[in-house]
Amino acid sequence: QVQLRQSGPGLVKPSQTLSLTCAISGDSVSSNSATWNWVRQSPSRGLEWLGRTYYRSKWYQHYAVSVKSRVTINPDTSKNQFSLQLNSVTPEDTAVYYCARGPGSFAYWGQGILVTVSS
Amino acid sequence: QSVLTQPPSASGTPGQRVTISCSGSSSNIGRNTVVWYQQLPGTAPKLLIYNTDQRPSGVPDRFSGSKSGTSGSLAISGLQSEDEADYYCAAWDDSLKGFWVFGGGTKLTVL
Repeated sequence: QVQLRQSGPGLVKPSQTLSLTCAISGDSVSSNSATWNWVRQSPSRGLEWLGRTYYRSKWYQHYAVSVKSRVTINPDTSKNQFSLQLNSVTPEDTAVYYCARGPGSFAYWGQGILVTVSS
Repeated sequence: QSVLTQPPSASGTPGQRVTISCSGSSSNIGRNTVVWYQQLPGTAPKLLIYNTDQRPSGVPDRFSGSKSGTSGSLAISGLQSEDEADYYCAAWDDSLKGFWVFGGGTKLTVL
């Protein structure tokens, strides 16, 4: 059974970097069939896919255009996890952030972390 | 504004059949399969339907999905009080370099 466990701060100051981690159990971040995604949810923006990382003989990252200039998603094979970094955050980035396993649809989700951007 | 359009609310009485629509475009639902998620308050979305009409193991057959052109639909038959939740549709969009798009969600109330 795949389980995803998220960690990271719940409060980030404006202009700083939001950093979250998603630890994987029951699967491998280096799987040749899975994709590892970040999705956020807020009342104003609804559900929004931020991007993904996946391994197909080499590592790929793929980002949503809306955040492409500010986002980085990286795998950590030594810890079997992947991370999200979102730079230059504003209050508009306040949301519940989820990690999720693909491809095709998201059958497994992390528990979600509410990240508030405020000074 | 969400890329996929859903009605904000739906309702029904126990035992009834309810349908929730999801309208997209040629770059998403028109070309790709539809996914449906159920979300209870304070929890992560749960996969309900994938590949337009497939149910993961453990999802009751009261839930069914379909697609026609650029619109998808979720049907819930034999409505139960535990079905009261938010429902979201999703699809892969082939525009730009591709990305997942979601509907704005439908709040289902069991009267």
